[in-house]
Amino acid sequence: ELKVEQNPLFLSMQEGKNYTIYCNYSTTSDRLYWYRQDPGKSLESLFVLLSNGAVKQEGRLMASLDTKARLSTLHITAAVHDLSATYFCAVALNYGGSQGNLIFGKGTKLSVKP
Amino acid sequence: EAGVTQSPTHLIKTRGQQATLRCSPISGHTSVYWYQQALGLGLQFLLWYDEGEERNRGNFPPRFSGRQFPNYSSELNVNALELEDSALYLCASRTLLAGGEKTQYFGPGTRLLVL
Repeated sequence: ELKVEQNPLFLSMQEGKNYTIYCNYSTTSDRLYWYRQDPGKSLESLFVLLSNGAVKQEGRLMASLDTKARLSTLHITAAVHDLSATYFCAVALNYGGSQGNLIFGKGTKLSVKP
Repeated sequence: EAGVTQSPTHLIKTRGQQATLRCSPISGHTSVYWYQQALGLGLQFLLWYDEGEERNRGNFPPRFSGRQFPNYSSELNVNALELEDSALYLCASRTLLAGGEKTQYFGPGTRLLVL
């Protein structure tokens, strides 16, 4: 059974600080996703990581993937209040050779305080 | 390009009733997924439809069912509603084209409240 674990689950940061969210998964997968969810809203796609060593950056967020360690990280640089949200990592289940549903971590609720 | 749409946005039902939720995927997307986000339980996979067929279902009882129409829109039906069915139901779609990132794009969700 594919399991996805995120930590920390709650993260309170001061503006301007850096921090990293970790995502471990239990079996091999060829795609790892990061999503953002604002309160009461749906999920917004942030990054798709396809291969070992993949790194993607958008603004103050950078995601990386180590498939050998089955670990992805989401690094936040110089946090600002607008980054306050819940961040989910998700791994695609391989179903009969094609991509099936996503298995999500429990999410990291990030609060950036001035 | 229009994103994934869902209706209704909110739905209030009482225990034992049936609920029908609807989803229209992004144009050109043939695969539709349903997820449940209940308080404290995270995002859980419900159903996956592809080309009109149910391809996989999550660990939910049979009273959760659905279908996909020829235009790839989808319907989720929940029979004999229970209080714990109260949740945000999210629909996602993706293209089945080979290669690429195969990102699942999510709709705004239907918030179901069972009283």
